Amino acid sequence: GQNIDQPTEMTATEGAIVQINCTYQTSGFNGLFWYQQHAGEAPTFLSYNVLDGLEEKGRFSSFLSRSKGYSYLLLKELQMKDSASYLCAPVDSNYQLIWGAGTKLIIKP
Amino acid sequence: GAVVSQHPSWVICKSGTSVKIECRSLDFQATTMFWYRQFPKQSLMLMATSNEGSKATYEQGVEKDKFLINHASLTLSTLTVTSAHPEDSSFYICSAKPGTGDTGELFFGEGSRLTVL
Repeated sequence: GQNIDQPTEMTATEGAIVQINCTYQTSGFNGLFWYQQHAGEAPTFLSYNVLDGLEEKGRFSSFLSRSKGYSYLLLKELQMKDSASYLCAPVDSNYQLIWGAGTKLIIKP
Repeated sequence: GAVVSQHPSWVICKSGTSVKIECRSLDFQATTMFWYRQFPKQSLMLMATSNEGSKATYEQGVEKDKFLINHASLTLSTLTVTSAHPEDSSFYICSAKPGTGDTGELFFGEGSRLTVL
């Protein structure tokens, strides 16, 4: 079967660094997306990894290990506006995104 | 970046009526669009994949006669919730993928919140 595992909720302090982990099992693999979703809004694209390694994009970085079925999203210099849900979505052999339940990130001042 | 517009953002209707939601790709052609629904505090659930000029592919458990999807052009897909009932109240979101490649970034519409009284 297909399965995505992310922590349900995380709390971090403004200005700090947080890492959101995601492990996945899919039928085939064609990359992995991370999306940010604020409450009541549609998701917005953060990153897409298809090869192993770290992709850095400003304050956000995403890492992928295909052999381990593992990815993480790293958020640096946290801001209050980063409070949102972060969705890990690997792409299966049919090129369908498999959505995890997301990790709700709470930023405290 | 690419823009996907979804309309209406909010809709309230009476039980038994039908509601149409539009999803438009404003600055690119989308041969494939996806429709999702999301209940509070839950993840996105893919309802169907909409392909321009052909019938939509529905996910298991999604009633195709209740959720009518039309993808008449490369920039427009519509979802019609027929004979809506209170349990259909949800957040409906569309997404579109530029080009014809199998992988690549998905661009989401703003979502449509449906409340059925």
